Parts: sequence; C-alpha cells; structure tokens
Amino acid sequence: EVQLVESGGGLVQPGGSLRLSCAASGFTLSTYWMHWVRQTPGQGLVWLSRIGGDDGSSTSYADSVRGRFTISRDNAKNTLYLQMDSLRVEDTGVYYCARSVVSTANDLRYWGQGSLVTVSA
Amino acid sequence: DIQMTQSPSSLSASVGDRVTITCRASQSISSYLNWYQQTPGKAPKVLIYEASNLQSGVPPRFSGSGIGTHFTLTINSLQPEDFATYYCQQTYRSPPAFGQGTKVEIK
Repeated sequence: EVQLVESGGGLVQPGGSLRLSCAASGFTLSTYWMHWVRQTPGQGLVWLSRIGGDDGSSTSYADSVRGRFTISRDNAKNTLYLQMDSLRVEDTGVYYCARSVVSTANDLRYWGQGSLVTVSA
Repeated sequence: DIQMTQSPSSLSASVGDRVTITCRASQSISSYLNWYQQTPGKAPKVLIYEASNLQSGVPPRFSGSGIGTHFTLTINSLQPEDFATYYCQQTYRSPPAFGQGTKVEIK
C-alpha cells in the first residue's frame, strides 16, 4: 500500500527556515516523480516543486518559491524533503507531498495527509 | 503556463440531485486531466484520471468527460458524503496547474 507521511511543519518567523519531510512506504521513491503542493487557508491548491530521475537531479519549481525552496530526496531513507528558506507570511499553509504514476509525471495520484506551516511574527 | 478555470465556484444541491462541474484549459491538454475531491481537513483524493477514467474504489456515480480544452465532472444522485470541494488539474505539461475549486454545498 502506498503511504506518504509528512512531518516537520510548525510555526516560524518571517525570514526563517523549515525543512519538511515526506516518508514514503509501499514503493520506491526514485521510481516516480514526487511533488510538493501547498494549500493556503481557505484557498485552492498550488503546485510548488517536483523531483525525478534516477539520481534526483531533475527538479523544477514554481516562480513563487524558486531560489528560496529546495526539493531533494534520500533514496536510502525513501524520504522526500522540502527545504524552505527566507519564509514569508504568504508561505503559510498546508503542504502536501504527492506521488505521480509511471506513465504521467504530473499525475498526482497519491497524497500525504499534509503538514501545516505557519509563518508569523 | 496552462491556466485552468472551473465553474461554478460554488453550488447548492440536494441529496439525489445530478451535479455538473466544468473545467476549461487555456490551451489543449488532450485528455490529460484529473479530478480531485477534498473534504475539510483532508488531502485531495483522485476521482477521475485522464479525463474519464474512474479511479479504483470511487463510486460509479462519478463520471468525467471531455478532451482538448473543455471538461466536465458529473455526479449522479448526489450523496451526503459528496458535499466537498472539487478540483480539476492538468497533467499535460509542467507546471501542473489546478482549477480554483468548486464547493458543493447542501441546499
């Protein structure tokens, strides 16, 4: 069974940093494109970043987080990460990791339960 | 980037009603479209993939159709557990993009 469990969320001041983790089980992380998606309070879903390739060297980011957020993964631990630096109030929200399917890199078929990040002074 | 536009943004319906939600893409995405359902406090859940394929375990009262730029999600005989927010998402090209959501409320 595919399972994704996020952790690492919490309260951080503007300008601070936080690292989210997404522990995967039931499949091998490196086989699939993995994504991070954010949902701000009362708002919709916004795609943030993705990672793929055997060595995880293929990455891309939304304009809103490029240069501040870094996606990575540890194949040995089967865990996905999102390093978030220079956080802003508008980064507040629930962060989901999601897994694709083999045939379509952007088909977000499986989701974690989400991790809440609050950026506030 | 491809933009996704859903309509309506919200609707009120009764148990047993048939509901239709529309999603339009700013350019052709072939059949590369997913529909998700989200209830409060939960992660989105895939209902339909590739525009018209029912995800395993999803009740057959849900159906999807469309190709190119115009897509619809239909819920036949709305059930109490179907009151939720529904999102479309194009899976055709990066960056993946979601519609703004349609909230289905109880009339």
